[in-house]
Amino acid sequence: GQQVMQIPQYQHVQEGEDFTTYCNSSTTLSNIQWYKQRPGGHPVFLIQLVKSGEVKKQKRLTFQFGEAKKNSSLHITATQTTDVGTYFCAEGSNYQLIWGAGTKLIIKP
Amino acid sequence: EAQVTQNPRYLITVTGKKLTVTCSQNMNHEYMSWYRQDPGLGLRQIYYSMNVEVTDKGDVPEGYKVSRKEKRNFPLILESPSPNQTSLYFCASRPGGANVLTFGAGSRLTVL
Repeated sequence: GQQVMQIPQYQHVQEGEDFTTYCNSSTTLSNIQWYKQRPGGHPVFLIQLVKSGEVKKQKRLTFQFGEAKKNSSLHITATQTTDVGTYFCAEGSNYQLIWGAGTKLIIKP
Repeated sequence: EAQVTQNPRYLITVTGKKLTVTCSQNMNHEYMSWYRQDPGLGLRQIYYSMNVEVTDKGDVPEGYKVSRKEKRNFPLILESPSPNQTSLYFCASRPGGANVLTFGAGSRLTVL
């Protein structure tokens, strides 16, 4: 069935460095959603992308949807401690979301 | 405040002792869903409900039951819990015409 592959599983960065997580699918995605889960918390919706080539920004976060609608990325510029957590992508349908495995952002001490 | 409320938040139980995790939402959402989250496996859907009295299996339904008698409530029932059901469980809901989920705070279940 449909799968969304998300990489990397972990990313360690120094505070102030950039962070990127990628989601890929072998088939065309109808849309892509991004969620953030803080340590000990629950997933919280960040954004949804629907159009081919779409780029959306939220402060230091930039979300992209590929031209072929088979991949998406989330890029964080100049990470801060408040960015720590796990970022998930998911493709939505009427019945369920197909989730990536998540990328955990860890800030090096 | 619009929210999804799960109870209990934490539970330690023993193999075979039936338990229910409750989920309630106050947003009049048609769709509700249960997920389990395990390290390295992301979120896996257990059951979902498109509306009252309409439920369907997700990816990992074995060992679980659900019911949807009222729009606001969607309890998850473990008739005979086993240690492999030790996990973090999330309930989520959304309006019928959208696919963006609102999650509850989670219920951490340990089965000994």
